[in-house]
Amino acid sequence: GAGVSQSPSNKVTEKGKDVELRCDPISGHTALYWYRQSLGQGLEFLIYFQGNSAPDKSGLPSDRFSAERTGGSVSTLTIQRTQQEDSAVYLCASSLRWEGTYEQYFGPGTRLTVT
Amino acid sequence: EDKVVQSPLSLVVHEGDTVTLNCSYEVTNFRSLLWYKQEKKAPTFLFMLTSSGIEKKSGRLSSILDKKELFSILNITATQTGDSAVYLCAVGQGGKLIFGQGTELSVKP
Repeated sequence: GAGVSQSPSNKVTEKGKDVELRCDPISGHTALYWYRQSLGQGLEFLIYFQGNSAPDKSGLPSDRFSAERTGGSVSTLTIQRTQQEDSAVYLCASSLRWEGTYEQYFGPGTRLTVT
Repeated sequence: EDKVVQSPLSLVVHEGDTVTLNCSYEVTNFRSLLWYKQEKKAPTFLFMLTSSGIEKKSGRLSSILDKKELFSILNITATQTGDSAVYLCAVGQGGKLIFGQGTELSVKP
């Protein structure tokens, strides 16, 4: 597709369940990023990938969060044993390269609600 | 601690007004400064600035970066109701973006 796509667009889950969020970057983009936006908060960096490797996982809030990227394309963000504070919009972005001088283009996000 | 601060946090203007949004930063390993517009979910890219003093322009929007004073401004002239959105400033640090809190702009008819 022309832009970054994410699925699902909305996810409601019960506390304690695991969820998987998917991101499909722009074709040809080698770098992929995950951010989180909580109600009334700015965007918070979670993790980024250069190809299939993740040089910077510093933003993952706890060990319940993990992400992987296979084939240099699609990425999955997994949250285990979800908590109510995990409720947020999870945004994925991609860029041509990772060095910080390439524009990041965002997907529409997944709104996660933990009940 | 790395930080990006935007001001004002919210702004209400009338159509036709000119607005200036501010972004200051203290970020190690600065690579770039980016502006995004967020209306519903996905932030949409507006500008990326890497050099001081060079204005970037797109229609009624323009932006400039001052790397000595560590700030950037985003100007919108002849505002329209369609400009109503949250405007986000972000600094590229290595492979990630550090975002400010955003400025919520509301343009009244």
